[in-house]
Amino acid sequence: GENVEQHPSTLSVQEGDSAVIKCTYSDSASNYFPWYKQELGKRPQLIIDIRSNVGEKKDQRIAVTLNKTAKHFSLHITETQPEDSAVYFCAAMTYGQNFVFGPGTRLSVLP
Amino acid sequence: KAGVTQTPRYLIKTRGQQVTLSCSPISGHRSVSWYQQTPGQGLQFLFEYFSETQRNKGNFPGRFSGRQFSNSRSEMNVSTLELGDSALYLCASSSGGTGDGGYTFGSGTRLTVV
Repeated sequence: GENVEQHPSTLSVQEGDSAVIKCTYSDSASNYFPWYKQELGKRPQLIIDIRSNVGEKKDQRIAVTLNKTAKHFSLHITETQPEDSAVYFCAAMTYGQNFVFGPGTRLSVLP
Repeated sequence: KAGVTQTPRYLIKTRGQQVTLSCSPISGHRSVSWYQQTPGQGLQFLFEYFSETQRNKGNFPGRFSGRQFSNSRSEMNVSTLELGDSALYLCASSSGGTGDGGYTFGSGTRLTVV
């Protein structure tokens, strides 16, 4: 079955700097890759996603890149702000199968 | 439109008891998935129901079971509770059968087993 690894497990950046979180997946049939943000005590919320036929997607300060050959995808957050502090989860999904989540990255944005 | 509703929000149970958790998905969503979230294990997949049928199942013991009703509402049952079952249980609904568009999670049920 699918296995998703995520690095780093914790990440601290200064406010205004960029943050990058990387995930790798094992199943080459996976075709959908969402990212979720979970603030303390709240539910995970979808922040951006990418499909296997796209290499990059941007939404304001966040972007996701996908390398199908290497089977990895990354989340990029630019101009980080204190409200970006949260746990971020990547996931991979194959059609008709369940989402498999990475273990999460705790991002701290320091003022 | 209303989001994903999970009830109850909090539960305290004793070892050996059983518990039933409920999840009402977004109107029109036919897929409901259940996840267990613990600090050390992240989001672990329990099972997914689609149109009243269990379509996918994770690696949890048979004490964990679920079902889905014709209105897409889903219930999860845990029998013979163990201390290690203490966790946040999240359900998520999606629109298509494939889960395209991502999940929308409920706020979860926090289960404490004492």
